[in-house]
Amino acid sequence: EDKVVQSPLSLVVHEGDTVTLNCSYEVTNFRSLLWYKQEKKAPTFLFMLTSSGIEKKSGRLSSILDKKELSSILNITATQTGDSAIYLCAASGRDDKIIFGKGTRLHILP
Amino acid sequence: ETGVTQSPTHLIKTRGQQVTLRCSSQSGHNTVSWYQQALGQGPQFIFQYYREEENGRGNFPPRFSGLQFPNYSSELNVNALELDDSALYLCASSQQSGHGDTQYFGPGTRLTVL
Repeated sequence: EDKVVQSPLSLVVHEGDTVTLNCSYEVTNFRSLLWYKQEKKAPTFLFMLTSSGIEKKSGRLSSILDKKELSSILNITATQTGDSAIYLCAASGRDDKIIFGKGTRLHILP
Repeated sequence: ETGVTQSPTHLIKTRGQQVTLRCSSQSGHNTVSWYQQALGQGPQFIFQYYREEENGRGNFPPRFSGLQFPNYSSELNVNALELDDSALYLCASSQQSGHGDTQYFGPGTRLTVL
């Protein structure tokens, strides 16, 4: 059965710290890996990764995919209280299904 | 904001009733996917519609059904509601058939089944 597993499930750090969120996947006919940030309701898109080893960056956030290890990481440097959210990882596979992990709940202390 | 809208925002139903949730996709998008997100869980894929036809389905029973209209808006219908159907229902639109294309989520409908 296709699955996406994220770790840790929750994380509390202080403002200014760097965090690394992990995502592993087992998805038939894998196509891409996606990261979302969910604060209240609608998840907002962060990154889509299709090629292994190529880092994508957006400000203090970056992400990379490792197809050999079937995994991805999301890094956030110099964290701010506004980064507090649930970070969702999802993988798209056969039949156009997108499978989400349970998310990592990140809390940044001031 | 993504341009994806959902209605209603909140809904309370009783067990056994039927519900219809609505989603308007972002302009230019022809694909709508529906997800169920229970408290503390990631979204679970229900199904996807591409150009008015179902184009993939997750592990949900047949009492979860949907429609997509010529303007690419969509409905999710749930019959014979059960308590476990209480969740946030999200729709997401994308430009193609969802082959990892970026999906833009609506604000969701919070359904409570009593």
